[in-house]
Order: sequence, then C-alpha cells, then structure tokens
Amino acid sequence: SAVISQKPSRDICQRGTSLTIQCQVDSQVTMMFWYRQQPGQSLTLIATANQGSEATYESGFVIDKFPISRPNLTFSTLTVSNMSPEDSSIYLCSAGRGQGDGYTFGSGTRLTVV
Amino acid sequence: QKEVEQNSGPLSVPEGAIASLNCTYSDRGSQSFFWYRQYSGKSPELIMFIYSNGDKEDGRFTAQLNKASQYVSLLIRDSQPSDSATYLCAVSSNSGYALNFGKGTSLLVTP
Repeated sequence: SAVISQKPSRDICQRGTSLTIQCQVDSQVTMMFWYRQQPGQSLTLIATANQGSEATYESGFVIDKFPISRPNLTFSTLTVSNMSPEDSSIYLCSAGRGQGDGYTFGSGTRLTVV
Repeated sequence: QKEVEQNSGPLSVPEGAIASLNCTYSDRGSQSFFWYRQYSGKSPELIMFIYSNGDKEDGRFTAQLNKASQYVSLLIRDSQPSDSATYLCAVSSNSGYALNFGKGTSLLVTP
C-alpha cells in the first residue's frame, strides 16, 4: 500500500488567511482524495484530485474555497482559503492505485482557525 | 442520498472474545467495501476490504458481505485491548472510486 506524507501536521491560522496542505505519496497512484473530519465525526469527502486537470468537488465544496492541485501522480495540495473558525477541522489526504489495493491515509492536518 | 450506517457504540467486549461490527449501506450499486480502524487522534488505517459476497479472512479479522441485504460486517476474533478504537465502514461511491464513510463504531476491549 502507498505511504503518504502529509504536512503540516497542525497549524493555527488567523481568520481570513489561507493554508496549503501538502500530500506526498511514495509511489505513483491513480487516485488521490481530500477529506475533512470534524472532531468525533466521520470523514467527509471534499474532492477527488485529478492529475493534470481540475479536481472533482463534492456537493457543498467549491474550488474557490478549496483549490486543489495535482501536478503529477505522487503529489497533491489542498488550500483552505479565506479561513473562518468553521474551517477548523482535520484535513486528510487519501491515495491508492485503485480499489483493488485499498486506499491509505496521510497522518492528517489539524487546523485551528482563530 | 448515499448512506452508510453504523451503530456508534460503544461496543464493549471482554478480552479474548469475538467483536462483531456491523454496517449497512443504501446504494445498491456499491461494489467495494472497506474497514478502517482509527485510534483517537490518528488517521484511519486500512484493515481489509471485500468485494464478493461471503467471508474474507485476514488473521484475526473476518469481513462478511451480503449484497442482497446490503450488509457488511467485521468480526475480530480473540479481541485485545489494543483493538480498542473506532472502526469505520466505507463503501465505494457509484463512481466506483471515492469512498463514502459511516460514522464509525467505537470498540472497547476490556482486560
């Protein structure tokens, strides 16, 4: 299974600023995803990061707020833009070569907006 | 609305017992089913996945799938205190790629 390095592990940010989260995979993967997990809650899919094209966003998530890049098969970034306290959450990157291998997760980014 | 339902628990079992975790899903077109374990403050860790009806065993873990009943379960044999965690059931979306997660079942294995 793919091994994912995600950074930063945590950050405290001011309202109105932006934070970019990076996800590096140790091997080429077909699929990369970004999730959000509120404390005590399950995972909500933000978007699928598509290599070389625009990400596919889930209902309730928009590109202006959560721009995503995926320049190659091993790397992706998620930016949380114009942050508000409601954006405080854990953001997780997930990746894999396909459902036949399952998907693994990065260690997560704990974001606090003050 | 695609839904994955799990009993939130906590499910408490004594050490050495079998823990049975259950999950139902609403999307009949779902093809792949995953179980993740998540320790407090950590990211989810893939335990196993299953595609076909029936049982799939991996060490102390057995996944069971019944597509007709839209039901998937995870059995943990010889439960250990280190198995205490939240177990997340995940189901492939109808696009076949991204996973839809349940809210998880909290398992507590008592010595």
